Amino acid sequence: EPEVTQTPSHQVTQMGQEVILRCVPISNHLYFYWYRQILGQKVEFLVSFYNNEISEKSEIFDDQFSVERPDGSNFTLKIRSTKLEDSAMYFCASTFRRIVGTDTQYFGPGTRLTVL
Amino acid sequence: DQQVKQNSPSLSVQEGRISILNCDYTNSMFDYFLWYKKYPAEGPTFLISISSIKDKNEDGRFTVFLNKSAKHLSLHIVPSQPGDSAVYFCAALYNQGGKLIFGQGTELSVKP
Repeated sequence: EPEVTQTPSHQVTQMGQEVILRCVPISNHLYFYWYRQILGQKVEFLVSFYNNEISEKSEIFDDQFSVERPDGSNFTLKIRSTKLEDSAMYFCASTFRRIVGTDTQYFGPGTRLTVL
Repeated sequence: DQQVKQNSPSLSVQEGRISILNCDYTNSMFDYFLWYKKYPAEGPTFLISISSIKDKNEDGRFTVFLNKSAKHLSLHIVPSQPGDSAVYFCAALYNQGGKLIFGQGTELSVKP
């Protein structure tokens, strides 16, 4: 069964460093998402991406964040200068299309980002 | 942002009995509701969904009920099995944005 994959599973970085989280969505999916879950809190939407551009982004997704689909299979989330409060589990999700009732979002296993 | 709320952080039931997980929402514009199950160190796994125009959807042991007037939905698991032990998230979908709005989750423990 196709699945969303994410690498690395755990990333430790120093505050101020840049990190890139990678995701390979399900191959025929067209819509891609990043969510995050800070320990003990709810899963929060960060950004959605379709047709090589951002569809929507949350207030969390400020200028320090960017997303890219560099090669037609990978979907990346870059944090330019990490802060302590960026420590969280980051989930990538994908869906075939964004019409209510026709499809659901499938999540990857997540990348645990720890900023020291 | 408290648009989707799961007020019970945990629930414990005996194997074979019914598990009822509850979720409340505030925004009547949500078009679709979904339940996800999450094991530690894994991503959320889709379980079942319901359109806002329906009041019930059933899939095997899992049934979701939607009460629009009360802005409340519930997930029933019958019979509960130890393998159902996980965190269950209620999520609502905005048609326009496609983003999921999650509740805080309820940790279900099914005891043999």
